Amino acid sequence: DVKVTQSSRYLVKRTGEKVFLECVQDMDHENMFWYRQDPGLGLRLIYFSYDVKMKEKGDIPEGYSVSREKKERFSLILESASTNQTSMYLCASSLTRDRAHYEQYFGPGTRLTVT
Amino acid sequence: RKEVEQDPGPFNVPEGATVAFNCTYSNSASQSFFWYRQDCRKEPKLLMSVYSSGNEDGRFTAQLNRASQYISLLIRDSKLSDSATYLCVVNIINDYKLSFGAGTTVTVRA
Repeated sequence: DVKVTQSSRYLVKRTGEKVFLECVQDMDHENMFWYRQDPGLGLRLIYFSYDVKMKEKGDIPEGYSVSREKKERFSLILESASTNQTSMYLCASSLTRDRAHYEQYFGPGTRLTVT
Repeated sequence: RKEVEQDPGPFNVPEGATVAFNCTYSNSASQSFFWYRQDCRKEPKLLMSVYSSGNEDGRFTAQLNRASQYISLLIRDSKLSDSATYLCVVNIINDYKLSFGAGTTVTVRA
């Protein structure tokens, strides 16, 4: 079974703090993704990576950065947290860029509250 | 306009009933389609892929209508355990990124 883990289930941070969310997958997947999920808006892609040290912006990258130093680990960084970044953050991975492997496997999510 | 749109519901149905709902997508170049299931406070998980000819997995049937750009999911003989939010997911322009709908909530009551 593919396993995607995230460093925290719940996190409370203050406005202006730097926040690190970590994601690890154990199935040697090439692609990793960070989403945020808000009621009525669905999942929105923040950043993704298709290889170590490679990253591409998703639909809503503003206020976020990412790091992928190892294949299994993909970190999301909020440089200066703001209240509008309060959300559920979901990490996902998929095997390759081949069309046959589009299925994404998700971690349990981190519910971040910025006060 | 959103790339993927769903009726948010909720659809409240009794056990044993049939429930069906659709999702529309805006990009005619979309190539791959999926239904994911998300339980309350849990992560999304793949329920089934949707193939051009339509496909069935037990009590679940998915259909694709390319001409009208929608996909559908039908659940027969609903169980209490089918209560969840169903996410419509589309692969846009032969890219390995996926676009997600906001979800349709189904509640099955005893």
